[in-house]
Amino acid sequence: SQTIHQWPATLVQPVGSPLSLECTVEGTSNPNLYWYRQAAGRGLQLLFYSVGIGQISSEVPQNLSASRPQDRQFILSSKKLLLSDSGFYLCASSWTIAGGPQETQYFGPGTRLLVL
Amino acid sequence: KNQVEQSPQSLIILEGKNCTLQCNYTVSPFSNLRWYKQDTGRGPVSLTIMTFSENTKSNGRYTATLDADTKQSSLHITASQLSDSASYICVVRLSGGYNKLIFGAGTRLAVHP
Repeated sequence: SQTIHQWPATLVQPVGSPLSLECTVEGTSNPNLYWYRQAAGRGLQLLFYSVGIGQISSEVPQNLSASRPQDRQFILSSKKLLLSDSGFYLCASSWTIAGGPQETQYFGPGTRLLVL
Repeated sequence: KNQVEQSPQSLIILEGKNCTLQCNYTVSPFSNLRWYKQDTGRGPVSLTIMTFSENTKSNGRYTATLDADTKQSSLHITASQLSDSASYICVVRLSGGYNKLIFGAGTRLAVHP
């Protein structure tokens, strides 16, 4: 079975500072990887997804970026954080056909980011 | 507009009691519907998945129903336990594409002794 690691677990950053959140997956190869943001009282919002190394698709325009330097590593970054970037960031992984009807996404433990 | 709405927003019940959470969706074309359980500060974990042709699915004390005609789903929890305290998220998948999951905002359930 696959295991998804995220770190850090919590992060407090000042406005304008850079950001780097890391997600790694164990137990599977060539997974589909996703970054979501969950704001309080809101549904999860898909930020980025990747079906392979170096392949990143962005869902919403924002000041965040994502990279996939290795097969099982997915990084969420920002050069300058905004107050609105605060939230709970979840990494997810799946290994069946991305977008297929039976695709199951498994979520990591999340990173809680507070921008002050 | 594709939307998933859940009710109630929050719910408090006593241990041992049953409860039902609701999910209404306006999503097309529909592929399937999942219920996730999310413990505080953790990632969501899938409980059930139902396709268009399925109208009920059970997972232990959790029973999900789906009415594709009215576009409604419910999650029934039987004999609640303290460990059931969590947020329950309804997620609908559209057909086709990588980015076709529509998440509800969740129902926050608190089970009290």
